[in-house]
Amino acid sequence: SAVISQKPSRDICQRGTSLTIQCQVDSQVTMMFWYRQQPGQSLTLIATANQGSEATYESGFVIDKFPISRPNLTFSTLTVSNMSPEDSSIYLCSVEIGGVTDTQYFGPGTRLTVL
Amino acid sequence: EDQVTQSPEALRLQEGESSSLNCSYTVSGLRGLFWYRQDPGKGPEFLFTLYSAGEEKEKERLKATLTKKESFLHITAPKPEDSATYLCAFRFSGGYNKLIFGAGTRLAVHP
Repeated sequence: SAVISQKPSRDICQRGTSLTIQCQVDSQVTMMFWYRQQPGQSLTLIATANQGSEATYESGFVIDKFPISRPNLTFSTLTVSNMSPEDSSIYLCSVEIGGVTDTQYFGPGTRLTVL
Repeated sequence: EDQVTQSPEALRLQEGESSSLNCSYTVSGLRGLFWYRQDPGKGPEFLFTLYSAGEEKEKERLKATLTKKESFLHITAPKPEDSATYLCAFRFSGGYNKLIFGAGTRLAVHP
């Protein structure tokens, strides 16, 4: 597996502002993903963070709202832009180490509340 | 449309009372069925991956099985520390590395 950390662990933000969430892995990984977990719901994939190229977004998610960076094989950021209360969720990054396993391991999550 | 349904939504057990959680799916070309455990305020913790019908995996009091249409997570003699939300997810052909998650089963084990 891998040790995954996220910063911040939680935040309370005002509507109209932006927040950048960081995801750091203790080893190089092939794939990194960002998920959203809205209150009382399960996980929904936002995008795949591609190293050295633009992220691949799922239907319903756009780059202007959720810009993603992945400058190397151990780090990625997700920005939630121009926030509204509907963006209040837990945001999780996950990684796939590659090789013989295709299992995704998740970080601890960032709990975002937008007022 | 590919989807996964988990039942029951919530389950309350007495310590030592064995039971099973269900994950049914409709997907063409299953490439893997995953079980995770999620504690409140934490990210999902990986439990098992199953790839083909008939496959079984075990870990302590948990055993996961897979058929062509559903997966079961059997909990034998549960303890209060097994209380959590259990999530299943699948990956399908053509979905590259995307995981589609069920809504989860909230398990509470009481002493």
